Amino acid sequence: AQTVTQSQPEMSVQEAETVTLSCTYDTSESNYYLFWYKQPPSRQMILVIRQEAYKQQNATENRFSVNFQKAAKSFSLKISDSQLGDTAMYFCAFMRALTGANSKLTFGKGITLSVRP
Amino acid sequence: GAGVSQSPRYKVTKRGQDVALRCDPISGHVSLYWYRQALGQGPEFLTYFNYEAQQDKSGLPNDRFSAERPEGSISTLTIQRTEQRDSAMYRCASSQGGGSPLHFGNGTRLTVT
Repeated sequence: AQTVTQSQPEMSVQEAETVTLSCTYDTSESNYYLFWYKQPPSRQMILVIRQEAYKQQNATENRFSVNFQKAAKSFSLKISDSQLGDTAMYFCAFMRALTGANSKLTFGKGITLSVRP
Repeated sequence: GAGVSQSPRYKVTKRGQDVALRCDPISGHVSLYWYRQALGQGPEFLTYFNYEAQQDKSGLPNDRFSAERPEGSISTLTIQRTEQRDSAMYRCASSQGGGSPLHFGNGTRLTVT
């Protein structure tokens, strides 16, 4: 079974600074997908970024980027130029790859990020 | 529709009653997921479907919980003989498949009194 570990329960960052959220996972699969989701106080679940394991290039989405280290099974999220609206819980998630269909998406326990003005 | 729709948004029921939670996925999405989330915790996987086939129900806590998606579109999560420990946010998500991201609904907040 796959597991996703987010060992930092809470982090805080000053507005406009950069912060990195850690995530590790355990799997015997060679092909899979990794995701970061954001859950603001409204409790919506919002996709932040997606990474395909067979792609060596790290995914980026505007101020959000990942550091994907496949051998180390590490998938950290970097938020640059932090904004007050980035205050949220952030969840790392893992999905193994299946041909044509989806498989189960497993979430970590999440990290609460607070952006200070 | 524009997004994943769940109904009702809020459900208060008495212990021992049965409840049915509905999920209407994004049109054309082949995969549909059910999760349960406690406040301050990560989503806990319950079950998922590809088309109408239930692929994995390993997360259903016990046999009081069941789910169906008979025509490969709308899904219903049913909890029989509810207990107070069933109180939580129940979230549905859908996806196009092939590793594409899940799109989540706003959830049903279930309270068992």
